[in-house]
Amino acid sequence: NAGVTQTPKFQVLKTGQSMTLQCAQDMNHNSMYWYRQDPGMGLRLIYYSASEGTTDKGEVPNGYNVSRLNKREFSLRLESAAPSQTSVYFCASVGTTDTQYFGPGTRLTVL
Amino acid sequence: GEDVEQSLFLSVREGDSSVINCTYTDSSSTYLYWYKQEPGAGLQLLTYIFSNMDMKQDQRLTVLLNKKDKHLSLRIADTQTGDSAIYFCAERRSAGNMLTFGGGTRLMVKP
Repeated sequence: NAGVTQTPKFQVLKTGQSMTLQCAQDMNHNSMYWYRQDPGMGLRLIYYSASEGTTDKGEVPNGYNVSRLNKREFSLRLESAAPSQTSVYFCASVGTTDTQYFGPGTRLTVL
Repeated sequence: GEDVEQSLFLSVREGDSSVINCTYTDSSSTYLYWYKQEPGAGLQLLTYIFSNMDMKQDQRLTVLLNKKDKHLSLRIADTQTGDSAIYFCAERRSAGNMLTFGGGTRLMVKP
């Protein structure tokens, strides 16, 4: 039981490049989330998926797209990366007690 | 701006008690959480409290909830150097499974 896994752990992009951050959970959770963490700002919700086949915008969705590929996987895509998207990205899923379990994070730098 | 507020920094000596405070704004919050983040790692759920409770104790951790003042605190007894980390409080509001996080309190434990 790996919990929530994320790939890659680190990534450096040039402005304008695209990439997809992958997230998977093996806990059979319905809801999954993508957050970004910036210094002194806590975590801000980018997108979430309440169940397979549905996605909704969070607090800071601009510049991102998501796909809930199946119940296990929820990916985050940057179509044209910008330096303002330099951040640490966390994926999370929600369990039966409504507690969120987090992945280890992806550190993204956009030059 | 954030609806959940925490002080930025707390320094204590090893063996002392630490008290990390948090204020939130939504009186309809159902669950309130404390997460711990060690350097370079994801968020680890420490404990949570349901909004109809005043206190919850779990080994060295005590959570106090004052709903009238919308104030949440986490007390760590006999603080150890391994407790040095950033601590985030989060609230789950009555609508949806989304969490709103505070900006985090960095706890430094001096030997």
